[in-house]
Amino acid sequence: QITLRESGPTLVKPRQTLTLTCTFSGFSLSTSGVGVGWLRQPPGKPLEWLALVYWTGDKRYRPSLQSRLTITADTSEDQVVLTMTDMDPLDTATYFCAHSFGTGNFDDWGQGTLITVSS
Amino acid sequence: DILMTQSPSSLSASVGDRVTITCRATRSVPMYVNWYQQKPGRAPKLLIYDGISLPTGVPSRFTGSDSGTDFTLTISSLQPEDFATYYCQQSYTIPFTFGGGTRVEIK
Repeated sequence: QITLRESGPTLVKPRQTLTLTCTFSGFSLSTSGVGVGWLRQPPGKPLEWLALVYWTGDKRYRPSLQSRLTITADTSEDQVVLTMTDMDPLDTATYFCAHSFGTGNFDDWGQGTLITVSS
Repeated sequence: DILMTQSPSSLSASVGDRVTITCRATRSVPMYVNWYQQKPGRAPKLLIYDGISLPTGVPSRFTGSDSGTDFTLTISSLQPEDFATYYCQQSYTIPFTFGGGTRVEIK
């Protein structure tokens, strides 16, 4: 059974750096075809994909946010970390990590964590 | 970026109704469209992947179809647990993009 869980602060100040950790179980990020992605959803708005790390170590980012995002995988700890710099109130959203296999769909999700950006 | 335009943005339906939701891509995304169901306060759930495939455990009343740029999600007989918001997603090219969502409400 695949599980994922997001952890990190719930409140960050503008211009600070957000660090979120996704701790997963039930799969290995070393398995061919596997990826772990980060997505977010502002309150009452649609989903937005942010970043994805593949089993090969390759990383993909949303181009409009690429300068602010870093995704790293720790396969020994079964964790994927997302950092997002220069946080703004518009970045207030629920952040999800999710398992991906094959063609970029997300078949298992964490419960999400609401991040509020406010001074 | 590929824009996914989803319609309708909301609909009211009764239990037992057939419901169809459409997603149109601004350019061809051959079969790389996925559909998700999301209930309030919950994470999305994958319903359809690669245009037409059902993950294990998803009821067969959910079907997907595609025609290159136009994709549909059909619920053949709406059940009480199907009242939720539905999103399409293209995974053909980076950045992966989602539709605006369709909220299915009880009539």
